[in-house]
Amino acid sequence: RKEVEQDPGPFNVPEGATVAFNCTYSNSASQSFFWYRQDCRKEPKLLMSVYSSGNEDGRFTAQLNRASQYISLLIRDSKLSDSATYLCGHNAGNMLTFGGGTRLMVKP
Amino acid sequence: DAGVIQSPRHEVTEMGQEVTLRCKPISGHNSLFWYRQTMMRGLELLIYFNNNVPIDDSGMPEDRFSAKMPNASFSTLKIQPSEPRDSAVYFCASSFGLAGGQETQYFGPGTRLLVL
Repeated sequence: RKEVEQDPGPFNVPEGATVAFNCTYSNSASQSFFWYRQDCRKEPKLLMSVYSSGNEDGRFTAQLNRASQYISLLIRDSKLSDSATYLCGHNAGNMLTFGGGTRLMVKP
Repeated sequence: DAGVIQSPRHEVTEMGQEVTLRCKPISGHNSLFWYRQTMMRGLELLIYFNNNVPIDDSGMPEDRFSAKMPNASFSTLKIQPSEPRDSAVYFCASSFGLAGGQETQYFGPGTRLLVL
């Protein structure tokens, strides 16, 4: 089993929809979590850090469930510009491990 | 401020040739990471440095890969000899702090490597 797992998608949603992705991790010692956004042929860029139970930034909400070992990313009122791949990462010790990413396509 | 700088942005080479990728981290950052990204394996950490010292190289695939960080503003990742399966996008990232993953990592634009 991979240390961090994500549904690769793609998630195809209409503009304005609410969409949620989950990311499961296997290492219970994980201390901090991150969501990165990666556009096609670009580098990953930090979207949100999650250190406790969750974090919210505008239309984006991340929630951490340590008991079930997953984190989620909720995007409300999705925009065309939200179309990208979303990478989940976690830190357990000294290294950041990423999932394979979930691809989101927002359609007009 | 300049972000992480990588060169070259694209590299096409023939199997057996030596490839050297370069990275300049963000000024003031003391941790530097090398990642490889492919469709099949996703984003994988190869090696990371803290204060110019290699801390964990367990992700380096084999002896053909080597990385150095001679000073705080420069690192190289070398593949010798290169093979077609090394074709990937190689990202360099940097962060500030003691631990290797607690702080936000800032990625460079990547080097797209194609080994024929």
